[in-house]
Amino acid sequence: GESVGLHLPTLSVQEGDNSIINCAYSNSASDYFIWYKQESGKGPQFIIDIRSNMDKRQGQRVTVLLNKTVKHLSLQIAATQPGDSAVYFCAENISMNTGFQKLVFGTGTRLLVSP
Amino acid sequence: EAQVTQNPRYLITVTGKKLTVTCSQNMNHEYMSWYRQDPGLGLRQIYYSMNVEVTDKGDVPEGYKVSRKEKRNFPLILESPSPNQTSLYFCASSFTPGKGRALTFGAGSRLTVL
Repeated sequence: GESVGLHLPTLSVQEGDNSIINCAYSNSASDYFIWYKQESGKGPQFIIDIRSNMDKRQGQRVTVLLNKTVKHLSLQIAATQPGDSAVYFCAENISMNTGFQKLVFGTGTRLLVSP
Repeated sequence: EAQVTQNPRYLITVTGKKLTVTCSQNMNHEYMSWYRQDPGLGLRQIYYSMNVEVTDKGDVPEGYKVSRKEKRNFPLILESPSPNQTSLYFCASSFTPGKGRALTFGAGSRLTVL
């Protein structure tokens, strides 16, 4: 499958544990944040998003936390499963003066889940 | 099935030999975009298109061209590839320009330039 990089920070967890993946973003004007999951051989897939007027959003087994004070985003995965093994990217959506919205991606974290 | 299809998935070429990576989406999306993915650098935008005949540069457009003659297709053209264009390329599309949630990515095209 496709390798997204050999130098990614890696989080190794046991099946059933909770995982927390962190991301620092750069632009205080970012109004929308997204987490993507990228499995080997595939393109990034949307997991969950959060708007800047929120500090927490929950999905199925996933929770995103946003701390605007320190420009930090985290993704929590409950009861991690082997199928969660992938590279996870955060992305910040910036609204530009032109009206266009630009998506800026983080470098990613590799999650390895052991049975 | 709603999808973004890129071809080729893998390509090895030599410096200076023009190549085109095709991208097609079947979701009637207005917005399409090309990214390259390199170790330690994440996804960087090359070019994007808001609609037919409307294209603009992203963050790393040098050495690339695009065209958007039809809504469904957004080919990436490397007129004279160089080794620094060795990378993993992704095409993505959406209805709402730039909204991350709506972005659908292709499976990627691994390009090696010797």
